[in-house]
Amino acid sequence: DAGITQSPRYKITETGRQVTLMCHQTWSHSYMFWYRQDLGHGLRLIYYSAAADITDKGEVPDGYVVSRSKTENFPLTLESATRSQTSVYFCASSESGTYGYTFGSGTRLTVV
Amino acid sequence: LAKTTQPISMDSYEGQEVNITCSHNNIATNDYITWYQQFPSQGPRFIIQGYKTKVTNEVASLFIPADRKSSTLSLPRVSLSDTAVYYCLVGPIYNQGGKLIFGQGTELSVKP
Repeated sequence: DAGITQSPRYKITETGRQVTLMCHQTWSHSYMFWYRQDLGHGLRLIYYSAAADITDKGEVPDGYVVSRSKTENFPLTLESATRSQTSVYFCASSESGTYGYTFGSGTRLTVV
Repeated sequence: LAKTTQPISMDSYEGQEVNITCSHNNIATNDYITWYQQFPSQGPRFIIQGYKTKVTNEVASLFIPADRKSSTLSLPRVSLSDTAVYYCLVGPIYNQGGKLIFGQGTELSVKP
């Protein structure tokens, strides 16, 4: 099916563990983004990518790592999870950069 | 990227027209105005985008005055299903940083 898919939908992990959130889009959009959403903070940009092998930091990149070896995939890795990284994570893609983002359904991550 | 200011919350009743205004005093010449809608537990969804005057689609209308320092999203005859958070964003349509920064949004509550 065409679209943008995030996995897993829900994840519970322990402090200090590494966890990877997956994002896959089927449109071959150039741009992909990771946001986190917390109560009182709205949506905050973590990292984004303008094309394969091109990534850049957003507002809150500390503690996160991204890679984009293929256009359709944009995984987000928490190298050593902390409780402050408990959040809902949204991946998005766009063909032109700032027009018409399409968001995934989100991953609810809980760090205990 | 231009900063935006919009009301934190609004209440309405079914069948009414709802107008949500966003201020963006520092909008740049090449900036567009985009609105997103977010339902609980879902990612934001693109609603409408415009540069000046009026834009209308099947979901909403966007009114932009000549000075472009504000914009108004108009939702005709809202229903309970329009209860959501609405985000106003301002930024260049094509890559000049290639990212969107979300503000706090306006939480619209539609009552029967």
